[in-house]
Parts: sequence; C-alpha cells; structure tokens
Amino acid sequence: QVQLVESGGGVVQPGRSLRLSCVVSGVSLSVSEIHWVRQAPGKGLEWVAGISYYGNTHNSYADSVKGRFTFSRDSFKNTINLQMNSLGTEDTAMYYCARVRDGGFFDKWGQGTRVTVSS
Amino acid sequence: SFVLSQPPSVSVAPGMTARITCAGDSVTIYGVHWYQQKPGQAPVVVIYSNSGRPSGIPERFSGSKSGNTATLTISTAEAGDEADYYCQVWDIGGDHRVFGGGTKLTVL
Repeated sequence: QVQLVESGGGVVQPGRSLRLSCVVSGVSLSVSEIHWVRQAPGKGLEWVAGISYYGNTHNSYADSVKGRFTFSRDSFKNTINLQMNSLGTEDTAMYYCARVRDGGFFDKWGQGTRVTVSS
Repeated sequence: SFVLSQPPSVSVAPGMTARITCAGDSVTIYGVHWYQQKPGQAPVVVIYSNSGRPSGIPERFSGSKSGNTATLTISTAEAGDEADYYCQVWDIGGDHRVFGGGTKLTVL
C-alpha cells in the first residue's frame, strides 16, 4: 500500500529557510512522480513543484516559487525534499506531497505538514 | 499558465443532483480531474481524466466535459457529500499542474 508521510514543517521568520521531506513507502521513487501541493489557510489548492518523467526526467516549479524552492529526490531513502528559501508570509500553508498517476492526477496524498512564516 | 474557473459555492437539497462546473481554455485540451476535500483532511480524487471513477468512489459521482467546461455531477446528494471540490488539469505544454479555485458544496 502506497503511503506518503511529510515532515519538516514549523514556524519560521520571513526571509529564512525550511526543508520539507516526504517519505514514500509501498512504491519506488524511480517509477513514481511525486509533487508538492500547498493550501494557505482558508484558501484553495496550489501546485508547488514536482518531478516529471514526461519527456526527459526533470523538476518543474510553479512561477510563485521558482528560484526560491528546490525539489530533490533521494532514491536510496525513497524520500523527496523541498528546500524552501527566502520564505515570505505568502508561503504560509499546509504542504502536501502527492503521487501523480498516468493522466496527471494525484491519487495518493500525505497528511500534510504545516508551515507558518511569521515574525 | 491556464486558469480554471469554478463557482465559489453550490447548494443542493438532499436526494437531488448537484452539478459543479470548471471552465477554462485548458479544459478543451487536457483531461480534467476532480477532488473532494473535507475539513481537516487531505484531498481525495473522485473523478480522473474527465469521467473515470476510482475504486471506492460511489457511482453517484460522475464527470463529463463539453467544449471548455467540465462538470462534476453528484446524484442523490447526501449530507456526507458536503465538502470543497476542486478541478485540476495537467498543462503539459507549460509543464504545470493547475487547480481551479474550488467550490464549496452545501447539502441543505
């Protein structure tokens, strides 16, 4: 059974950095696209970043985080990470990792990890 | 990137049919997926690729698409269907995943 478990959230000051992790079990990362989706308090879902195997293997980012966030994969630990730099209050959200299936939909989600950017 | 437009809220009486729309240029090109999210919980896919229904999702949930508008239909609505619903597409050309703004379904 595929499971995703996020960690690394917390309270951080504006301008600082934070690193989120998502441990994936039940499936190998080498054959699974995993992405990050966030949800600000009381707001809708926003795709953040992920790895795609469409065409060549590559990471893709939402415009709102490009240049500040970095997605990485540790196949040995079956873990994906999201390095978040230069955080702003607009990055305050619940961050979910989720698996993508053929057709581009998210079929498995973690429980989320909360990030609060505040002075 | 593409924009997906959803009505902020939809209301339905118990036992009746609810329809939630998702409009945008990308709908004409790409498959549309639908998620249900209840308070405090992660989203759950209820329809994938326009009309596919994952195992475990009741047959009361169905999806369709016409032109630039996709529709999630919930037949015989129940109190347990109250949730936020989001549509989503994979913008292959722009290499982005796009969500609609979400629709709050009230069963009253």
